[in-house]
Amino acid sequence: KAGVTQTPRYLIKTRGQQVTLSCSPISGHRSVSWYQQTPGQGLQFLFEYFSETQRNKGNFPGRFSGRQFSNSRSEMNVSTLELGDSALYLCASSLVKGVYEQYFGPGTRLTVT
Amino acid sequence: QKEVEQDPGPLSVPEGAIVSLNCTYSNSAFQYFMWYRQYSRKGPELLMYTYSSGNKEDGRFTAQVDKSSKYISLFIRDSQPSDSATYLCAMTFSGSARQLTFGSGTQLTVLP
Repeated sequence: KAGVTQTPRYLIKTRGQQVTLSCSPISGHRSVSWYQQTPGQGLQFLFEYFSETQRNKGNFPGRFSGRQFSNSRSEMNVSTLELGDSALYLCASSLVKGVYEQYFGPGTRLTVT
Repeated sequence: QKEVEQDPGPLSVPEGAIVSLNCTYSNSAFQYFMWYRQYSRKGPELLMYTYSSGNKEDGRFTAQVDKSSKYISLFIRDSQPSDSATYLCAMTFSGSARQLTFGSGTQLTVLP
């Protein structure tokens, strides 16, 4: 079974720009979560989507947003990029009923200059 | 104080050693516990998943959860150079949401 895929793998953007990252979950997984990983803060939860609805959101500013499509694929968007947004953005997918483990994709490494 | 504390290491051991990795947590509502392995510049890979207190074994890996002490451990037997990676503990609550809280990760090097 194919794993979680994320595109693009690497991205360089300039301050003030916006960026959209994409995630395709494991087939049959309907929950998609996004995490930000930085050396200083570690892995931090951004938000989770299930059935095209945001179910939970971490402590990040409104510049970070996301959505999920009917095929469970998800995108996250960061507007007005700041230098501090440079990070590895990880997507994780999960089954829903009674299952809590999450499977991560390889991540998108975003560099803001 | 962070909800999940994990010794960042680095930890260096000889090949064949038994490795012990640990996390402590403060929120007693955590019920599901996971260990992930992350190689440099890769996404985390799920190693072990346990529910509530007890032990779980999978090959060379054993996960232990002691909810009374709010303490979880991962043991690696007969460690190999290929085990060199960062190990992250993660935990979550029961319920509908899927939100993992991670430790900061322990960097492990197994020397040949």
